[in-house]
Amino acid sequence: QVQLQESGPGLVKASETLSLTCSVSGGSISRHYWSWIRHSPEKGLEWIGYIYYTGITNYNPSLKSRVTMSVDTPKSQFSLKLTSVTAADTAVYYCARGSPPLDYWGQGKLVTVTS
Amino acid sequence: QAVVTQEASLTVSPGGTVTLTCGSNTGAVSGAHYPYWFQKKPGQAPRTLIYDTSNRHSWTPARFSGSLLGDKAALTLSGAQPEDEADYYCLLSYNGGRVVFGGGTKLTVL
Repeated sequence: QVQLQESGPGLVKASETLSLTCSVSGGSISRHYWSWIRHSPEKGLEWIGYIYYTGITNYNPSLKSRVTMSVDTPKSQFSLKLTSVTAADTAVYYCARGSPPLDYWGQGKLVTVTS
Repeated sequence: QAVVTQEASLTVSPGGTVTLTCGSNTGAVSGAHYPYWFQKKPGQAPRTLIYDTSNRHSWTPARFSGSLLGDKAALTLSGAQPEDEADYYCLLSYNGGRVVFGGGTKLTVL
């Protein structure tokens, strides 16, 4: 059974960089796409982007200028960096397998942007 | 930028049938958009119900079905249960690998 787990700071100051890591277990990170999605009550679900295990990326155009994703295949981890955060970036951040299919999800990490 | 539209809210009676729809401002939704449907309950991660228009995952109850209805994708719930009360999101794929979620439908079972 594939399992994903997000980790990283739960509080980020405005204008700084949000950094999260997703650890994959129970399956290989290779030959799969891996996505980041966030959820807030105001906006619902929002696709942030995905990364292939080779490092190829595709980002949401509305976030592209602030997003960087990376993958560490030996560690079975992939990461998200979102720069210049504002209160609008406060959300639960999820990692998931696929670009879709999004068949396996992490439990989510609440990230709150503070002023 | 593509915009995916869903009903803001719907209500269904226990045991009843309801259809949620998913449209696109770029035109008719087709199988080439590989429509997905997700169920989201408070405090839980989203769960994929339907992929590629009409395929259920092994964990998807048979009372959920997906289809194309006119120029939209549709999720039909037949025989609603109290535990089906949740938010439902559709997702469409576009050229260039872009992926867009709909705004979500809040389904009440009452």
